[in-house]
Amino acid sequence: QSALTQPASVSGSPGQSITISCTGSYNEIGKYNLVSWYQQHPGEVPKVIIQEVSKRPSGVSERFSGSKSGYTASLTISGLQAEDEADYYCCSYAGSSSLVFGGGTKVTVL
Amino acid sequence: QVQVEQSGAEVKKPGASVKVSCKAAGHTFNNHYVHWVRHTPGQGPEWMGIIDPGGVSITYAPTFEGRVTMTRDTSTTTVYMELSSLMYEDTAVYYCTTVGVWGRPPDYWGQGTLVTVSS
Repeated sequence: QSALTQPASVSGSPGQSITISCTGSYNEIGKYNLVSWYQQHPGEVPKVIIQEVSKRPSGVSERFSGSKSGYTASLTISGLQAEDEADYYCCSYAGSSSLVFGGGTKVTVL
Repeated sequence: QVQVEQSGAEVKKPGASVKVSCKAAGHTFNNHYVHWVRHTPGQGPEWMGIIDPGGVSITYAPTFEGRVTMTRDTSTTTVYMELSSLMYEDTAVYYCTTVGVWGRPPDYWGQGTLVTVSS
């Protein structure tokens, strides 16, 4: 299956809100509510920040929220902070036990 | 949260094989599915395959079918991923990732193992 499509980069000023899109097709995002989002700082391991489209794991800031419409999942970061500068990846279940990832989005805090 | 430790970095020649291990500290690991994911800098992560808690049901990504073998030893809470016929393009960080719920993408990523293919 093809990778999910994410914008290469998104930027915002401190305090602003930004949204990262993750576009796929009916076969993964459209069919299943099994989308996760990961945050990866340089030199670190990816950390899950959203599970099952919109669920925040324990300990993850409420400033992170997820949603889905049709074949596109979205991650919104509200009240942008310097520490949010990182790479973000989406991942969806794609049927037959498989997963598909997005290409990643670099978030820059201006 | 399942804590795992992966084996160390490897340097291999083209055509060789590499076997990466992923060991967990506790037996809770034996209730988790393990996905192997590789990541090349500048690209998105790439799903390689999944092995179920019992090590019986295994699914490989078509891209790696025929070259990858995933196994599991529940007695030692260790999962292995072996990739054969290595090519330069296989240079990447390989992650052992775990999840306790079937179908959901991984909840936890190991520290990663850098595999470098170089002559």
